Amino acid sequence: SQTIHQWPATLVQPVGSPLSLECTVEGTSNPNLYWYRQAAGRGLQLLFYSVGIGQISSEVPQNLSASRPQDRQFILSSKKLLLSDSGFYLCAWSGGQPPKWTQYFGPGTRLLVL
Amino acid sequence: AQSVSQHNHHVILSEAASLELGCNYSYGGTVNLFWYVQYPGQHLQLLLKYFSGDPLVKGIKGFEAEFIKSKFSFNLRKPSVQWSDTAEYFCAVNGNNQGGKLIFGQGTELSVKP
Repeated sequence: SQTIHQWPATLVQPVGSPLSLECTVEGTSNPNLYWYRQAAGRGLQLLFYSVGIGQISSEVPQNLSASRPQDRQFILSSKKLLLSDSGFYLCAWSGGQPPKWTQYFGPGTRLLVL
Repeated sequence: AQSVSQHNHHVILSEAASLELGCNYSYGGTVNLFWYVQYPGQHLQLLLKYFSGDPLVKGIKGFEAEFIKSKFSFNLRKPSVQWSDTAEYFCAVNGNNQGGKLIFGQGTELSVKP
């Protein structure tokens, strides 16, 4: 069966510091991968998605970037964090036959920028 | 622009009460519809999904949802809630040609009193 891992689970970082959040998927090959951010009292906002190694699409302009160095690894990064980057970051992968994709989510990383 | 609206931000019910959470979407093409649930301290989990066919879909834990195309709605229902249903519920939509990318509503927090 497929599983999705994210780490760290919680992170407290000062403003201006770099960021690297990692997501890995097991039990599937060539998945579509997604990064979402969930702000308090709001829904999930899609930040990036990837259909393959090195292929990244950005959905919203922001201080963050994403990379996919391996088939089942998806990394969210920042060179200099802003206060507004605080939030709950969720990684997801999608399975099924297109167009009937279903997304499955990881446990998330709670980021607090001080 | 595509959007999903959940009209109830916070719903408080007593055990055994019936539940209906509203979800309306705005999208010009064929859609796939989802409800996700996030129990306190847990992953975002898939509750049910609709791709095509019978517009009344049944999910886990006694939940069901009805797709009414003419109303652009996909409301979630449960005839009798339990304290363990306390969670945040998210409606999400993707278009058939969107590569699995989900657009989420802002979520509805459900509190069930024992």
